[in-house]
Amino acid sequence: IAGITQAPTSQILAAGRRMTLRCTQDMRHNAMYWYRQDLGLGLRLIHYSNTAGTTGKGEVPDGYSVSRANTDDFPLTLASAVPSQTSVYFCASRPSGLRVETQYFGPGTRLLVL
Amino acid sequence: GQQVMQIPQYQHVQEGEDFTTYCNSSTTLSNIQWYKQRPGGHPVFLIQLVKSGEVKKQKRLTFQFGEAKKNSSLHITATQTTDVGTYFCNAGGTSYGKLTFGQGTILTVHP
Repeated sequence: IAGITQAPTSQILAAGRRMTLRCTQDMRHNAMYWYRQDLGLGLRLIHYSNTAGTTGKGEVPDGYSVSRANTDDFPLTLASAVPSQTSVYFCASRPSGLRVETQYFGPGTRLLVL
Repeated sequence: GQQVMQIPQYQHVQEGEDFTTYCNSSTTLSNIQWYKQRPGGHPVFLIQLVKSGEVKKQKRLTFQFGEAKKNSSLHITATQTTDVGTYFCNAGGTSYGKLTFGQGTILTVHP
């Protein structure tokens, strides 16, 4: 693995189903983020984690949950999907201790909830 | 989190014309970052500005941070079709807290 990966690449999901979007990074970054991107609304932060074992709510956390059991993985779970959760989801990570606060993004997961 | 507003939302230009997008905050920012997202791709980091009045250049791209550290701009000189995409600003400096992206400016370049 090189960088940050997401799975699946895309998914069609029936409303009411449970879904976990996976995110893995091999850069040993402490901070990780989940965003959703919708046309005209830019990137909105769903949840974040400053370090393994801690998580926090972003702008739009309702209907989503996350966990951070270790440094590398940051899965995002939709407990009961609804059509309004149709979006493109990006995971990102950021190193600590550096002056430049670069976020590295995964390739995204395109989710359609019907 | 910090709120940043980005304008314009859309910009259509002819190839060779200049382009500018602006990012404005109601609060003083510690730093600001700019990202570019190609159509169908993911955001990619371009640059970070930290100092009041800072100006940085990357080839045809010029980035500015306002004197009050409440606004920033990205200017592209003589656009090319490869400049097509969405440009985002991101208000940083909250340590590991919530980072706030602007809504983005979608740039279309007509050949």
